[in-house]
Amino acid sequence: DVKVTQSSRYLVKRTGEKVFLECVQDMDHENMFWYRQDPGLGLRLIYFSYDVKMKEKGDIPEGYSVSREKKERFSLILESASTNQTSMYLCASSSSTETQYFGPGTRLLVL
Amino acid sequence: AQSVTQLDSHVSVSEGTPVLLRCNYSSSYSPSLFWYVQHPNKGLQLLLKYTSAATLVKGINGFEAEFKKSETSFHLTKPSAHMSDAAEYFCVVSEGYGNKLVFGAGTILRVKS
Repeated sequence: DVKVTQSSRYLVKRTGEKVFLECVQDMDHENMFWYRQDPGLGLRLIYFSYDVKMKEKGDIPEGYSVSREKKERFSLILESASTNQTSMYLCASSSSTETQYFGPGTRLLVL
Repeated sequence: AQSVTQLDSHVSVSEGTPVLLRCNYSSSYSPSLFWYVQHPNKGLQLLLKYTSAATLVKGINGFEAEFKKSETSFHLTKPSAHMSDAAEYFCVVSEGYGNKLVFGAGTILRVKS
């Protein structure tokens, strides 16, 4: 069965902290994605990666960076967390079929 | 660029009555279209997918959607709502490049007993 896991379900951080969100998929998918979800805005793409060490900016990359050193793992980094980055973060992966499989999400609160 | 408009932010139905969640899309080529569902505190689950085969697509849990090119619509329906259908539903179009998806803002479905 398809599985995407995220390192934390809930996180509380302080303004200015460096935050790491980890995502792992076990399906050998080439593509991986990070989204943030906010009420009334749907999901917005932050970054995606179509291969190891490759990354592309999505629609809202400002304040974020990513790392993909291994095919199964895609990390989202908040270099200096701010309160406007309080949100639900969702990771997804896909192969060439376009269907994306999502993790359970990480709810981040920045104080 | 592709875009998606979900015409209702909230829909409320009684249990046992039909469900209609409306979605219009904009695409410069023949798109792939999806409906995803998100139950409270859960990740997104694929309900169904259209990829230019049959225009009527059947999904899980009794849902189906009809692709209408002339109306640029992809509405989601179910003949009879169940309490467990209460969730947020997202209409999604594929941009094609890198398999990027563009999400609508979501429709929250409430089912009354």
